Amino acid sequence: AQSVTQLDSQVPVFEEAPVELRCNYSSSVSVYLFWYVQYPNQGLQLLLKYLSGSTLVKGINGFEAEFNKSQTSFHLRKPSVHISDTAEYFCARGGGSYIPTFGRGTSLIVHP
Amino acid sequence: DTGVSQDPRHKITKRGQNVTFRCDPISEHNRLYWYRQTLGQGPEFLTYFQNEAQLEKSRLLSDRFSAERPKGSFSTLEIQRTEQGDSAMYLCASSLVTNQETQYFGPGTRLLVL
Repeated sequence: AQSVTQLDSQVPVFEEAPVELRCNYSSSVSVYLFWYVQYPNQGLQLLLKYLSGSTLVKGINGFEAEFNKSQTSFHLRKPSVHISDTAEYFCARGGGSYIPTFGRGTSLIVHP
Repeated sequence: DTGVSQDPRHKITKRGQNVTFRCDPISEHNRLYWYRQTLGQGPEFLTYFQNEAQLEKSRLLSDRFSAERPKGSFSTLEIQRTEQGDSAMYLCASSLVTNQETQYFGPGTRLLVL
């Protein structure tokens, strides 16, 4: 079955520090990868997506992710985080139907 | 663009009761999806509609669950004879069929079954 693994359940970081949230996916011929963010008491919001083409994907709020086929990874990065980035982040993959299968989530906690 | 809305936002019910949730998608979106999210987990796909047709159902959608989208606009998700294991956040999302990889999520309905 298609799956994604988010290696860290919680990532604490200080404000203005860089952050990387890790995601590995199960290998497949075709893969579509997504990162979503969920703020407290809100629905999910799409940060970025990889469908094909350039392996470096830029998203909203200064986030980017790199598709690495050899390592089956799609890690999310931001060079300098803000307090407002505190949220739950979900990596997801889709198959032919684009319906995402989500990881368990990583809680990003930004400290002042 | 008013976004995806869900009603109610919270529901507390007793085991054995029936509950119904409503989702209003973004108006021009022809695809509508339902997901369930339990504590500490990512959302899990339940079912989706294209216009009024229900095109796919997950194995998670037991026979106590039924979803409808009668006029291709809003959708309802009904759970009959609720069980404590049904306690979760129920999320709705919508998309255009021409941009189906970009789904817009509602705020969810949090269900607690006592």
